[in-house]
Amino acid sequence: DIQMTQSPSTLSASVGDRVTITCRASENINNWLAWYQQKPEKAPKLLIHKASALENGVPSRFSGTGSGTEFTLTINSLQPDDFATYYCQQYNSPWTFGQGTKVEIK
Amino acid sequence: EVQLLESGGGLVQPGESLRLSCAASGFTFTDYAMGWVRQAPGKGLEWVSVISGSGTSTYYADSVKGRFTISKDKYRNTLSLQMNSLRAEDTAVYYCAKAGGSYLYWYFDLWGRGTLVSVSS
Repeated sequence: DIQMTQSPSTLSASVGDRVTITCRASENINNWLAWYQQKPEKAPKLLIHKASALENGVPSRFSGTGSGTEFTLTINSLQPDDFATYYCQQYNSPWTFGQGTKVEIK
Repeated sequence: EVQLLESGGGLVQPGESLRLSCAASGFTFTDYAMGWVRQAPGKGLEWVSVISGSGTSTYYADSVKGRFTISKDKYRNTLSLQMNSLRAEDTAVYYCAKAGGSYLYWYFDLWGRGTLVSVSS
């Protein structure tokens, strides 16, 4: 199975910061990668699919890049509502999630 | 309104069975693949099972293969997960999710609120 490794596991940041989360796949997944945001006791919410396609309604401060085995999620000008845990997921074959990155208040 | 609503979770003993249901509304149920994703307490997300839009193709994580069965009722717009021979490590919140994307290249674009399954003696 394809393994997904996110880094860092935890990230401390302030409102207004630019934040970058990395996700690495153990083999080539082309651009079959999604990013989700999850807040405590809530269901995950899709942010980005196909590595860089922003889901409808998601603020433009979120962006995704990458292809092959290395991907990034960037949040420009972090807002109070963005403190959450973020997961990447490959959907090349079959489906695997990264272990998550918690973005916490510095 | 597009939504998914899970039910059927609860506390069971190891070896017992449980059936989860997910009522879908606001979209054409048979047009979309659907899946179950679980999250153990304090842990990350793990996909459990996916079923194609027509219901003819099913996929399972190795951890549940042979014990869980996913199905779709197109008349009641309901997704189900029959879970047999439950183990302590199956304890988790189980989310129902609608799939986006193309055949086999599915991500999850709509999630239910989840239902908690606890397996303990």
